Amino acid sequence: QVQLQESGPGLVKPSQTLSLTCTVSGGSLSSGGYYWSWIRHHPGKGLEWIGYIYYSATTSYNPSLKSRVTISVDTSKNQFSLRLSSVTAADTAVYYCARGGSFSSYGIDYWGQGTLVTVSS
Amino acid sequence: QSVLTQPPSVSGAPGQRVTISCTGSSSNIGSVFDVHWYQQLPGTAPKLLIYGNNNRPSGVPDRFSASKSGTSASLAITGLQAEDEADYYCQSYDSNLSGSVFGGGTKLTVL
Repeated sequence: QVQLQESGPGLVKPSQTLSLTCTVSGGSLSSGGYYWSWIRHHPGKGLEWIGYIYYSATTSYNPSLKSRVTISVDTSKNQFSLRLSSVTAADTAVYYCARGGSFSSYGIDYWGQGTLVTVSS
Repeated sequence: QSVLTQPPSVSGAPGQRVTISCTGSSSNIGSVFDVHWYQQLPGTAPKLLIYGNNNRPSGVPDRFSASKSGTSASLAITGLQAEDEADYYCQSYDSNLSGSVFGGGTKLTVL
């Protein structure tokens, strides 16, 4: 059973960089075959795909966030990470890491529990 | 404004059938890309409900079904139960954006 767990600060100041890490257990990032995504959920709004990474470090980002987003992978730790720069209050959301999110026919089948990140001074 | 369009809310009485629509375009649902559906209960992470247009993961009741036609898809829930009250999202891949797109979500209320 694959499990994902997000970790990182719950409070970030405006203009700073949001950094989150997702630790994967029950499966290996380096085994290939899957894309690994970051997705966020703004309070009272819908889900927004942020981007994904493959174990080879191939990435794709949401065009609306592309200039501020970096997703990286550390296969030795079985982790992948999100960095979102120059944050504003509009970036306050619950952030999820998940398996899937590409053009796969299998959907996004495993999700982390989510972590609330608040942008405030 | 979400790339995929869903009704904000639907409702039905216990035992009834409801459907939730998801409308996209030729660069996502209308192309070769599959549609997936998720159920999100309050305070929890989304759960994969339907994958590959009309497939249920193990453990999902057969009361849930879905279909895709042209640039639209729909989720049907029969025999509504109180526990089905949740937010439902459709998701696909968009070739113009080179990434995943979601619907805005539909809140299902069981009367």
